[in-house]
Amino acid sequence: QVQLQESGPGLVMPSETLSLTCTVSGGSVSSGTYYWNWIRQPPGKGLEWIAYISYSGSTNYNPSLKSRVTISVDTSKNQFSLRLSSVTAADTAVYYCARDRGVDTSIQTWGQGTLVTVSS
Amino acid sequence: EIVLTQSPGTLSLSPGERATLSCRASQSVSGSYLAWYQQKPGQAPRLLIYGASSRATGIPDRFSGSGSGTDFTLTISRLEPEDFAVYYCQQYGSSPWTFGQGTKVEIK
Repeated sequence: QVQLQESGPGLVMPSETLSLTCTVSGGSVSSGTYYWNWIRQPPGKGLEWIAYISYSGSTNYNPSLKSRVTISVDTSKNQFSLRLSSVTAADTAVYYCARDRGVDTSIQTWGQGTLVTVSS
Repeated sequence: EIVLTQSPGTLSLSPGERATLSCRASQSVSGSYLAWYQQKPGQAPRLLIYGASSRATGIPDRFSGSGSGTDFTLTISRLEPEDFAVYYCQQYGSSPWTFGQGTKVEIK
């Protein structure tokens, strides 16, 4: 059974770049027709889809964040990553990496989430 | 983008009661690509329903989804203690994927 684990700094300074990595275990980031997603949730608020990437590198970004977001995949490490530039306090959130069902893009498998706080 | 509006914001019910949650879309959801998730405090969301009405693996049959177009419903036939949580709908028919703001089902 595939498992996902986010890693990265829990504190980022305003105007800097947030970088997170999702390590995939129990499965391969290169397999099948899955899309690998990043989703975030500000404290006490709802969910916001950020982007997805396929094993081949095709991407789709939320237009509200597209100018600041880069998502990438490293098949050799079985990981995919998120970079969000020019962060502000509004980017403070729990960030989840997640995988869809493969046969459709509903989100089947989630990481536990990691809280990233933007503060000086 | 498609805006999803969930109602009510909070539902106060007792164990054993029936819960009916609504999700309304600002435009038709393509292919009925509508999912429901359950989230408990401190946990990641869990997929309950995909394709508007199909239960995900391992989800009890007291959870059911229905609807098409712009109006969707999640029904929990008889609430168990573990069902008290926040529920989100999500559309994945049109990019960007979007979520509703959530409905909290709390113990009355």
